[in-house]
Parts: sequence; structure tokens; C-alpha cells
Amino acid sequence: GQQLNQSPQSMFIQEGEDVSMNCTSSSIFNTWLWYKQDPGEGPVLLIALYKAGELTSNGRLTAQFGITRKDSFLNISASIPSDVGIYFCGSDSWGKLQFGAGTQVVVTP
Amino acid sequence: GAVVSQHPSWVICKSGTSVKIECRSLDFQATTMFWYRQFPKQSLMLMATSNEGSKATYEQGVEKDKFLINHASLTLSTLTVTSAHPEDSSFYICSARDLDGSSYNEKFFGPGTRLTVL
Repeated sequence: GQQLNQSPQSMFIQEGEDVSMNCTSSSIFNTWLWYKQDPGEGPVLLIALYKAGELTSNGRLTAQFGITRKDSFLNISASIPSDVGIYFCGSDSWGKLQFGAGTQVVVTP
Repeated sequence: GAVVSQHPSWVICKSGTSVKIECRSLDFQATTMFWYRQFPKQSLMLMATSNEGSKATYEQGVEKDKFLINHASLTLSTLTVTSAHPEDSSFYICSARDLDGSSYNEKFFGPGTRLTVL
């Protein structure tokens, strides 16, 4: 079963606001990956993190690999309508990618 | 990033028939491909790991005789849903691991295949 606890489950925000979501686990992971999935599409990789403490940005997205290696967060700054979708955290465990339950983001104008 | 394609993008079939879904890595070689199933408003659940030239490894609870996987080449894996039933209706997504350099742990996903069994 899933070992990644992702929160919040959903977020309703206004355009221009910042968004923050996180994933935690009781296990230590060597990799944290953040994906976005649009309806009817496969997930698209946003950010990949490989080292504890690593902070990486991709445009308006910023993600960090927690020092304990048991958590990660994703921030989206100044949200825009196209940020709508489901965001998943993922981590590689023994060669298999596990996913969190997802955070649904809804951006209203 | 690397490109993974799936075919078909959607399929409707009658109960009892078999459906084959293809997953291709377009610009890289993938010795390992993964098959996921996603039900509405749920996360992706790994079904099986497909290894080129060897038998697939199935996750607990996934029937290997029902979900046949063939990884015949370094760029193609197929999933065949045999004797499909309405409860098999789902979104099936594949991913492929690019073993080139720093992207070792990154898995690139296909666009998914929507299967509807009537």
C-alpha cells in the first residue's frame, strides 16, 4: 500500500495566491518527485529531488527534499488558471515509484 | 524530457473480449517499463513492472493471467487485458525508466489509455 501521506487533499485558491502542499512518510527515501496530472492525461514530471535538504525551482514551482529524508514540499507561487490539476508526490522505493494520494488544485479567477 | 506514447488513447470493448494496450519509449531505450491503473479521483496504483526480455513482476493482488505483459523490445511493452469485465474499466498508464545518467530515478509517463468495458 501507499506509504506517502500527501496533504492537503484539495485546495481552492484565487489566482495570484501561493499554493503549498507536502508529503510525509514514515520511511526514508532517496528520491522525491513531484508530478502534475491534467484530466485524462498522464502525469508530467515537475521537479526531481535527489539529496536531503535540496531545494529546487522550476519557474514558479519550488520543491524541497526534507533533511530527514521523510518529507518533501511543493510550493507554487502566484498561481494562474493553468495551474489547475492534480499534483502528486512520488518516491522511488526499491525501483518502484510510489505515489501520494494527490492534491487537487482549483484556481479561480 | 523523454517521450512515452501509448496506443490507443481510449478503447471501448464488450465484456469478455481482450484488449491490448501499447507503451512505447520514443526517444530512449527503456529496459524497464511500469504499468499503472488509476480509478477516478484516486492515485496511480502500480500493477506490474515490465522488464525487457524477462517475465513481468506483478504487484500483490494483480492477476498475472488476466493482465498479460510483454516487453518484447527496449522501446515497447504491451498490456493485454484478457476477458475484460466492467470492473476492469479504468485509466491505464505506463511509464518508462530512462537509465541514461542523472535521470535514472525519473520515470516518464505515457498519456494514458481510457478503457471502458460494456
